[in-house]
Amino acid sequence: DVQLEESGGGLVQPGGSLRLSCAVSGFTFRDFTMNWLRQTPGKGLEWLAYIDKTGEIIYYADSVQGRFTVSRDNARDTLYLHMDDLRVEDTAIYYCATWSDYWGQGTRVTVSS
Amino acid sequence: DIMMTQSPLSLSVAPGQAASISCKSDESLLKSDGKTYLYWYHQRPGQSPQLLIYEVSGRFFGVSDRFSGSGSATEFTLHISRVEAEDAGVYYCMQGRKLPLTFGGGTRLEIK
Repeated sequence: DVQLEESGGGLVQPGGSLRLSCAVSGFTFRDFTMNWLRQTPGKGLEWLAYIDKTGEIIYYADSVQGRFTVSRDNARDTLYLHMDDLRVEDTAIYYCATWSDYWGQGTRVTVSS
Repeated sequence: DIMMTQSPLSLSVAPGQAASISCKSDESLLKSDGKTYLYWYHQRPGQSPQLLIYEVSGRFFGVSDRFSGSGSATEFTLHISRVEAEDAGVYYCMQGRKLPLTFGGGTRLEIK
């Protein structure tokens, strides 16, 4: 079975940092481009970042450009999202996903003082 | 960015009846490779979105044949025949024509 499992979410103060991980199994991770997305009640589903199969080509949403960094370790079948300078409006459920087919169950990030 | 607009916002359907959800994009989702990159997802409370339909009308693995998709270019429809209790939740369309991936605002389906 295909599984994507996010971890690393939690409560952080504004200006703080977090690193999310997404461990995958059930498919050949290195053969897939990957994305990070998030969901809030107010803004709905929002795409955040894209990384190609090798990690050489990366794109970010304007809302996180310069603050978030996506990376991957194909040897460990793991995708990462390093988040710096977190803001209250970054509070959301964060998902890793392939281009369209599979999503993880999400990890909740709360930014609050 | 490509804007995706869904309607209706919500609908209430009795079991066994049919339902349709509309999704419109402000740009064509047809790419030069001949494929149209429109997807439909279903999200139950507390769960992540699950892919139902890919590239307008392709049914994803394990998805019931009660679900079907149609449309082209900028106008698309998700059809659900014979609605069941397990179909409750929120349905989203998504365009994968280009980054940023963008989503419709969602349609909440309630089962009467």
